[in-house]
Amino acid sequence: SQTIHQWPATLVQPVGSPLSLECTVEGTSNPNLYWYRQAAGRGLQLLFYSVGIGQISSEVPQNLSASRPQDRQFILSSKKLLLSDSGFYLCAWSPGQGFNYYGYTFGSGTRLTVV
Amino acid sequence: ILNVEQSPQSLHVQEGDSTNFTCSFPSSNFYALHWYRWETAKSPEALFVMTLNGDEKKKGRISATLNTKEGYSYLYIKGSQPEDSATYLCASPEGNQFYFGTGTSLTVIP
Repeated sequence: SQTIHQWPATLVQPVGSPLSLECTVEGTSNPNLYWYRQAAGRGLQLLFYSVGIGQISSEVPQNLSASRPQDRQFILSSKKLLLSDSGFYLCAWSPGQGFNYYGYTFGSGTRLTVV
Repeated sequence: ILNVEQSPQSLHVQEGDSTNFTCSFPSSNFYALHWYRWETAKSPEALFVMTLNGDEKKKGRISATLNTKEGYSYLYIKGSQPEDSATYLCASPEGNQFYFGTGTSLTVIP
């Protein structure tokens, strides 16, 4: 069966520090991978998605970046965090082939607080 | 970009009350509508996948209906319990991604 792992669960980082959040999927190949964020009082916002190794689509301009070095690994990074980067980050995957009927399976999330 | 909207934004009900909320989406080029239940600090949990006009799905005390011609779906909770407190999200796909509504935050007061 497919599982998705996301870590760390919580993170407190000072402004200007770097960030690296990691997400891995098991039990499937060539998944579509996504990073979402929920800022305080707001809905889920898509940050990045990837349909394959090295293929990253960015939905919103920001100081974050994403990379997909392996088929089932998706990394969210920042060189210098801002206060506005605080929020709850979710990784998700969906089957990569054909029409996406099945929806997402989400990771357990990372609560990031930038201080 | 798909415009998916949910209302109300938040809802407070007494334990035992029944409640419902709405998800609206563009009716053209409709493929599917997903409902998720999202508890604070946890990952969203899939509730229903709906594709056919007139579809009705049920899971325990929670049910959902779909009207693809007018572009809306209702989620109903019968006899709300405190453990139903969560944010309920709907989402519809376009291309490689799903577009989410902002969610309805439900609080059930014991």
